Amino acid sequence: AQKITQTQPGMFVQEKEAVTLDCTYDTSDPSYGLFWYKQPSSGEMIFLIYQGSYDQQNATEGRYSLNFQKARKSANLVISASQLGDSAMYFCAMREGRRRKGGSYIPTFGRGTSLIVHP
Amino acid sequence: GAGVSQSPRYKVTKRGQDVALRCDPISGHVSLYWYRQALGQGPEFLTYFNYEAQQDKSGLPNDRFSAERPEGSISTLTIQRTEQRDSAMYRCASSPGGGGPNYGYTFGSGTRLTVV
Repeated sequence: AQKITQTQPGMFVQEKEAVTLDCTYDTSDPSYGLFWYKQPSSGEMIFLIYQGSYDQQNATEGRYSLNFQKARKSANLVISASQLGDSAMYFCAMREGRRRKGGSYIPTFGRGTSLIVHP
Repeated sequence: GAGVSQSPRYKVTKRGQDVALRCDPISGHVSLYWYRQALGQGPEFLTYFNYEAQQDKSGLPNDRFSAERPEGSISTLTIQRTEQRDSAMYRCASSPGGGGPNYGYTFGSGTRLTVV
C-alpha cells in the first residue's frame, strides 16, 4: 500500500503567488515525522521542512509552511511568494515511529510534484 | 566531510559489466542509506547500515545488488552483471542515527548510472 501519496504530478504558479502542494500519508503509528524535499534540475535533494506527529503547531521555515491536518492525514506544503528559483520537483516523505530492526527509521517518499513558477 | 559525497557523479557502463558506486557520509553519522530513483519517481529504499552492520536489505531488487560498509564510514553499492533496467540515479544519505523519527537526513548528489 502506498504510504505517501502526492496526487499532483505537475503544478503551475505565477511568480509571487502562493502555491500548495498536496501530500497524504498512511500510517498506524502514533509517532512519525513528515518531511518535504526539493529537487531542482541539478538533481540534489534539499531538505525544506519537518513536522513531527506530536508537534502542536504547523512547521514553518521562511517561505515554506506545512499545513498539517492529522485527522485527515495530510501534510501539504505551502510556498508563499513563489520565486522562479522554486521551480523544481518536490517530494513528501514520512518516517514512521516503528523502527526497522537495528534501530533506524527509513523514510518513504512520494512520487513527487513538479512545480513550475512562471513570470 | 562537510556533506555526503558520492562518486562517480555519472557512470555509463555496458550491459553485463559490474559497477561499484561509492558513498562517503558526513563524518560521524551512524546511519547510511542507499536509495534508487528512477526518472520522474521518488527515491526508493534499497538498504541501510548502522555503523558497519547492514541492518536491512529488503529493498535490494535481486542478488545482483549488494552493499557494504566495512569500517562504518564509506559504503559501496555494487551491481553485478548490469542490465538496462538498472539505469537510474543512485542516492546515498546519512543521518546521525539513534533516537526518534526527527533526526536529520542528508542526501548526496547521487550517481547517475546508465547501462547501454
